[in-house]
Amino acid sequence: DIQMTQSPSFMSASVGDRVTITCRASQVISSYLAWYQQKPGKAPKLLIYLGSTLQSGVPSRFSGSGSGTDFTLTINSLQPEDFATYYCQQANIFPLTFGGGTKVEIK
Amino acid sequence: QLQMQESGPGLVKPSETLSLTCHVSGGSLSSDDYHWGWIRQPPGKGLEWIGIGLYTGTTYYNPSLRSRLTISIDTSKNQLSLKLNSVTAADTAVYYCVRWSSSSGCLDPWGQGTQVTVSS
Repeated sequence: DIQMTQSPSFMSASVGDRVTITCRASQVISSYLAWYQQKPGKAPKLLIYLGSTLQSGVPSRFSGSGSGTDFTLTINSLQPEDFATYYCQQANIFPLTFGGGTKVEIK
Repeated sequence: QLQMQESGPGLVKPSETLSLTCHVSGGSLSSDDYHWGWIRQPPGKGLEWIGIGLYTGTTYYNPSLRSRLTISIDTSKNQLSLKLNSVTAADTAVYYCVRWSSSSGCLDPWGQGTQVTVSS
C-alpha cells in the first residue's frame, strides 16, 4: 500500500493567515492526488483533484501543487469557515489511501 | 445534482453481518466513467477506503477487508450495497458511500454518512 504522510497533524492559525499543508507519498503517484475538507459531523468535501485542479464551486483561495511524491495544499487568507480537518488521498494505485489529516484550529 | 444517501441498521452484534444500502438520485449508476463505493471513518480517526464497484460487476476491495466484504450495484434500483461479514468492534465507524472518478481518481460526491456500532 502507498503510505500518505501529512504534516502538520495540527495547526493553529488566525483569520487572514496563509496556511500550507503538505502531503508526502511513500512512492511516486504522478499527479493522482486529491484534497478534502471535513467539518465536524459532516462528510468530507472535495477541494482539489489531480494535484492542482480546483473543484467547481471551491473558493480560489484554495490551491494545490506538486507531483511525484510531494504535494501542498495552500489556503490564502484563511476564513472563519475554513477551520476544519484536511485530508489528502492518492489515487494512483489500489487500495486508495488517505493521509492522517491536518486539523486547522483558530488561534 | 447527484445525491447519495446511506441507510441501514445503526447497531450490529459482533460476528454478524453489517449490511448497508446507498440510494443514488440525480444520476445513473450505469456509467463507464464512474465506480461506486464505500469509505469509513472510526470515531475520532481518519478515513479508510473500503472498496468500489462498477455496474459491470467488477470490484476492487481493500485487501485488509477483502475476505469479509461484498460490494454490489443494482442499476434497476439505482443503489449500491455493502456487506461486511464477521464484524467486530473495530468495524464501528461512520460509513460513507461515494462516487469515484476513474479519470481523476477523486471521490465526489459523498453521502452524508451513517453511524454503525458493533456491540452486543
